[in-house]
Amino acid sequence: DIQMTQSPASLSASVGDTVIISCRSSQKISSYVNWYQQKPGKAPKVLIYAVASLQTGVPPRFSGRGSGTDFTLTISNLQPEDFATYFCQQSYRLPRTFGQGTKVEMK
Amino acid sequence: QVQLQQSGPGLVEPSQTLSVTCVVSGDSVTRSSVAWNWIRQSPSRGLEWLGRTNYRSQWHNDYEEAVKGRIIFSADTSKNEISLHLNSVSPEDTATYYCARSYISVIQKPDWFDPWGQGTLVIVSS
Repeated sequence: DIQMTQSPASLSASVGDTVIISCRSSQKISSYVNWYQQKPGKAPKVLIYAVASLQTGVPPRFSGRGSGTDFTLTISNLQPEDFATYFCQQSYRLPRTFGQGTKVEMK
Repeated sequence: QVQLQQSGPGLVEPSQTLSVTCVVSGDSVTRSSVAWNWIRQSPSRGLEWLGRTNYRSQWHNDYEEAVKGRIIFSADTSKNEISLHLNSVSPEDTATYYCARSYISVIQKPDWFDPWGQGTLVIVSS
């Protein structure tokens, strides 16, 4: 199985900050990485698919980049509604696998 | 707008069968270009993909190895719903279960889960 390793596990930030979350895959996965946001008691919601494509309706302060095995999610100008947990996920091979999550907390 | 509405029991006894149903609106469960996935989430295991089902003249299923042999997907096309059945459950199967749609293609290309059902918390306990 392809392992997805996220870092950090959690971080504290303030409104207006820029936050970068990293995800590393255990093998090369081309552009087959997606990012999700999850708020307490809710299902995950896709933010970015195929490394860098913004899902419809997602604010452009969210961006993704990377290739090979290293990928990042950047949140610019962090807003109050962005405090949540973020997951990366690969769609290169079955089984689909997720990172363990990064919790973005208010400083 | 595609919506997935889940239902299922909140409590299942060990060794019994856990069943969760996902009613789809705004799309067809038999559309050949989509797959219907089951994903669970627990504090100890995180997000875990359990498998997917896709209809191309007949139903095609992919199951995650860890639950293969205990898991079955079914569909009721008259109700446009899919179901997950996980048998011989133990407390380790306690989790929130989600259904989610993804696209599927004969040629490899990126896919992602969207939308998701609201989740069904299932506790395995006597």
